[in-house]
Amino acid sequence: DQQVKQNSPSLSVQEGRISILNCDYTNSMFDYFLWYKKYPAEGPTFLISISSIKDKNEDGRFTVFLNKSAKHLSLHIVPSQPGDSAVYFCAANIQGAQKLVFGQGTRLTINP
Amino acid sequence: NAGVTQTPKFQVLKTGQSMTLQCAQDMNHEYMSWYRQDPGMGLRLIHYSVGAGITDQGEVPNGYNVSRSTTEDFPLRLLSAAPSQTSVYFCASSLAGTGTLSYTFGSGTRLTVV
Repeated sequence: DQQVKQNSPSLSVQEGRISILNCDYTNSMFDYFLWYKKYPAEGPTFLISISSIKDKNEDGRFTVFLNKSAKHLSLHIVPSQPGDSAVYFCAANIQGAQKLVFGQGTRLTINP
Repeated sequence: NAGVTQTPKFQVLKTGQSMTLQCAQDMNHEYMSWYRQDPGMGLRLIHYSVGAGITDQGEVPNGYNVSRSTTEDFPLRLLSAAPSQTSVYFCASSLAGTGTLSYTFGSGTRLTVV
């Protein structure tokens, strides 16, 4: 039973435009949601997180939105740059534990 | 500032062999964990530790052992490797504070069991 889902395996966006990556979850016992970026042959790199008590968090070009009623979160990247091409993972932390549950990932390609 | 260091980066094992994947962190994080990543899937939790001397199972613990004798180190042991354990393994350390949560991952160990 997949508790965290990224339904889009891939996304292609033109350089300079907005990239929107989506994530859905089924468990209400998550206290933090995190986004990671991963290049081939490297470990995941932390991008941004949001507490379950907030609905928005912003850091530079990256903004994460959390819609608790819909159990949905999204990552917005504005403007998109070629270096943003990577696989993006959504992850949720189980409340009261240091345990992450990951989505399957979305491969983002930024086209010049 | 090394962060989380994993060794080796690559390993090929024969079925039935044993080995230990090493993980060390220099950030004084209490929490450490091991994940595996398989093609088309997200990372899945194998084992985790909330501090020295304390470990627990994650989602996919079978075939793996861990121990945590120091804050810095969290080795993952494969007692009898199987082809199903072919995967990329990531170690992470984490720190929770008021209103924040941060995980740092190592660069991974790519393991092939033949």
